[in-house]
Amino acid sequence: DVKVTQSSRYLVKRTGEKVFLECVQDMDHENMFWYRQDPGLGLRLIYFSYDVKMKEKGDIPEGYSVSREKKERFSLILESASTNQTSMYLCASSSVPNRGGNYGYTFGSGTRLTVV
Amino acid sequence: RKEVEQDPGPFNVPEGATVAFNCTYSNSASQSFFWYRQDCRKEPKLLMSVYSSGNEDGRFTAQLNRASQYISLLIRDSKLSDSATYLCVVIQDAGKLIFGQGTELSVKP
Repeated sequence: DVKVTQSSRYLVKRTGEKVFLECVQDMDHENMFWYRQDPGLGLRLIYFSYDVKMKEKGDIPEGYSVSREKKERFSLILESASTNQTSMYLCASSSVPNRGGNYGYTFGSGTRLTVV
Repeated sequence: RKEVEQDPGPFNVPEGATVAFNCTYSNSASQSFFWYRQDCRKEPKLLMSVYSSGNEDGRFTAQLNRASQYISLLIRDSKLSDSATYLCVVIQDAGKLIFGQGTELSVKP
């Protein structure tokens, strides 16, 4: 069974801390994504990666960075956490697109981050 | 203007009702279309793909109108277990998923 695993389900951090959110997939997928989900705003794309050591900015990259040193792992980094980064963070992975396919998109179960 | 827009909701319907959700997208180059379901405090999960010819999966029917850039989901004979948030999703170039903000459905006994 396809799996995307996020390291923490719930996390509480202090303002100014450096925060690492880890995501690991076991499907040998090329593509990995980080989203945040907030009430009334839906899911918004932060960063994505199509290959090892590649990264692309999504719609809301400010205040975040990412790292993809290995194919199976995609890390989201909050360099200096702020209260407006309190949110649900969702990682996803997908395969190289096939015509007409859904790319095998699979989400992790999410990390609810609270910054105090 | 949002790239993917959905009915605001919430939709509160009795068991057995038929309910329809609508979604519009702004990028005519969008390639693929889906409906995802998200239960409270859980991750989104694929409900069904949406094809131009329309497609059905049991009580669920999805339609796509490329000319109008419009997607719909029809749920017949609603069950209590259908209560969730339904997300309209569009894939653009290079496999980026773009989500609507979701429509909450609550099915009551």
